[in-house]
Amino acid sequence: AQTVTQSQPEMSVQEAETVTLSCTYDTSESNYYLFWYKQPPSRQMILVIRQEAYKQQNATENRFSVNFQKAAKSFSLKISDSQLGDTAMYFCAFFYPEKLTFGTGTRLTIIP
Amino acid sequence: GAGVSQSPSNKVTEKGKDVELRCDPISGHTALYWYRQSLGQGLEFLIYFQGNSAPDKSGLPSDRFSAERTGGSVSTLTIQRTQQEDSAVYLCASSPGPTTYGYTFGSGTRLTVV
Repeated sequence: AQTVTQSQPEMSVQEAETVTLSCTYDTSESNYYLFWYKQPPSRQMILVIRQEAYKQQNATENRFSVNFQKAAKSFSLKISDSQLGDTAMYFCAFFYPEKLTFGTGTRLTIIP
Repeated sequence: GAGVSQSPSNKVTEKGKDVELRCDPISGHTALYWYRQSLGQGLEFLIYFQGNSAPDKSGLPSDRFSAERTGGSVSTLTIQRTQQEDSAVYLCASSPGPTTYGYTFGSGTRLTVV
């Protein structure tokens, strides 16, 4: 079974700074997908970024980028130029074979 | 519809009562998922539907929990004889299939058992 670990329950950073959220996972599979989801107070989960395990190139989406280290089973999320709207819970998730397995989340607060 | 719709948004029920939670997926999405999010916890997988069948219901915590999906669309999660530990946010998600492009989530139902 796959497990996902997020070791930072809470983080805070000043507006406009860069912050990195950590995620590690455990699997014996070689082809899988990794995701970061954001959950604001509205409760709706919003897809932030997606990474295919067979691609070495790290995914980027505007201010969001990942550092994917397959051998180390690490998948961190970097948020650049952080904004107040980035305040939310962030969940790392692993997809294989037909469902997502989530970590326990990191509560990120952006300080004005 | 334009998004995944869940109802009710909030539900308070007395211990021992039965509750039904509803999920309306995006039109045309064949895959539907239920997750449970307890306070301070991540999302716990409950059940996955492909069409009207449930190839994976391994996450249902007990026989008090059941779910069905009709017409390849609406799904209902039923909790019988509710207990206080059932209090959580129940999230539904849908996707065009068992896709690797992630799901679209609803805003969830917050269930409080008193």
